[in-house]
Amino acid sequence: AQKITQTQPGMFVQEKEAVTLDCTYDTSDPSYGLFWYKQPSSGEMIFLIYQGSYDQQNATEGRYSLNFQKARKSANLVISASQLGDSAMYLCAMREGNFNKFYFGSGTKLNVKP
Amino acid sequence: EAGVTQFPSHSVIEKGQTVTLRCDPISGHDNLYWYRRVMGKEIKFLLHFVKESKQDESGMPNNRFLAERTGGTYSTLKVQPAELEDSGVYFCASSQERARGPNTEAFFGQGTRLTVV
Repeated sequence: AQKITQTQPGMFVQEKEAVTLDCTYDTSDPSYGLFWYKQPSSGEMIFLIYQGSYDQQNATEGRYSLNFQKARKSANLVISASQLGDSAMYLCAMREGNFNKFYFGSGTKLNVKP
Repeated sequence: EAGVTQFPSHSVIEKGQTVTLRCDPISGHDNLYWYRRVMGKEIKFLLHFVKESKQDESGMPNNRFLAERTGGTYSTLKVQPAELEDSGVYFCASSQERARGPNTEAFFGQGTRLTVV
C-alpha cells in the first residue's frame, strides 16, 4: 500500500493567494513524523515544515502551515500569500517510529501565476 | 556550513557500463541515506548508513548496486553493469540524530541525474 499519497500532480495559484497541497498517509505506527520539502527546478530539496504525530497543534513556519488531521490521516500544506518563487515541486514525506527512512509522495508541481 | 554535495550532477552512460556516484554528507553527520527517483515515480529509499555500517539496505534493487562508506565520511554508489531502468535521479541525504525518533529532518543533496542509453 502507498504510504504517502499526493493526488494533485499539478496546481496553479494566483500570486498573493493561498493554496493548499494535499497529502494523505498510511501507517499503523503511533509515532511518526510528517515532512514537506520544496524542490525547485535546480533539484535541491528544501525542508519546509515538520509535524509530529503527538503534536497537539498544527505546525507553522512563516507562510507555511500544516493542516494536520490525524483521524483522517492527512497532512495538507497551506502556503499563504503565494509568491512567484514558490513555483516548484512540493514533496510530502513520512518517517515512522524509530526507523530512519523517508517515504515520499509523488509530489505536486505548483505554478504561481503573476 | 557546506551542505550535502553530490558528484557528478549529471551522468550519461551506455547500457552495460559502470557508473559511480559520490555523496559528501554534512560534516559530522553519522547518518547517510541514498534515495532515487525514476521517471514518473516517487522518490524511494535505497539504503542507510550509520557511520561506515549499513543500517538498512532493504531498498537496494539488486546486486548490480553497491554502496560503500569507507571511514564513515563520504559514500559511493556504484552501478555495474548499468541497465536502462536504472535511469533516474539519485539523491543523497544526511542527518545527525542524537536521539532516536521520527522528528529529525534530513538534509538532501541536489541529486545526480543518471541517464543510461
